[in-house]
Amino acid sequence: DAGVIQSPRHEVTEMGQEVTLRCKPISGHNSLFWYRQTMMRGLELLIYFNNNVPIDDSGMPEDRFSAKMPNASFSTLKIQPSEPRDSAVYFCASSFSYSPLHFGNGTRLTVT
Amino acid sequence: DQQVKQNSPSLSVQEGRISILNCDYTNSMFDYFLWYKKYPAEGPTFLISISSIKDKNEDGRFTVFLNKSAKHLSLHIVPSQPGDSAVYFCAATDTSGTYKYIFGTGTRLKVLA
Repeated sequence: DAGVIQSPRHEVTEMGQEVTLRCKPISGHNSLFWYRQTMMRGLELLIYFNNNVPIDDSGMPEDRFSAKMPNASFSTLKIQPSEPRDSAVYFCASSFSYSPLHFGNGTRLTVT
Repeated sequence: DQQVKQNSPSLSVQEGRISILNCDYTNSMFDYFLWYKKYPAEGPTFLISISSIKDKNEDGRFTVFLNKSAKHLSLHIVPSQPGDSAVYFCAATDTSGTYKYIFGTGTRLKVLA
């Protein structure tokens, strides 16, 4: 079991650029979550997919953020245009049915 | 609005003593609660959970207590070990709803040797 795989591990970009974060969930898992970790808000849920369908995107902060899950083995989180306040660690997590979440090791995003 | 709150950002405990981490929630619909542990540069890993039909769940050195009337849960680690030093997150969900997991802000535990 390779676990949840996120790429890249680190991303440094300039304000205004497009950023794409990638996630490969654990095979067989049917739910996928994107979280953002900040000091002030802890682990903040951005969006949640079930069977590749977005169920709840109420945590997506602005229209600059979008997420897709074209198939059961891949998801992307895109920020366009990026801003310095988007700097954070972004985590992807997956689960099967209603079991506890398995997290990837995160992508540390720095927007200068 | 923070539905899951961890009011202590940090905690230091001597090795061998008990560590008690606290978590409060506001949504009365939450009925399943979890604790995760996070080391630097890694993702959170699942530690222990409890359903609202119970008030206690044990797994080795880790015990979670749930007080539904107070909307409060706590994680007890006995005895604490230096390897337990990490950030601990509590999480909650409503299993009759969308099953999305809401996390707290975390408590950094430092176990002193």
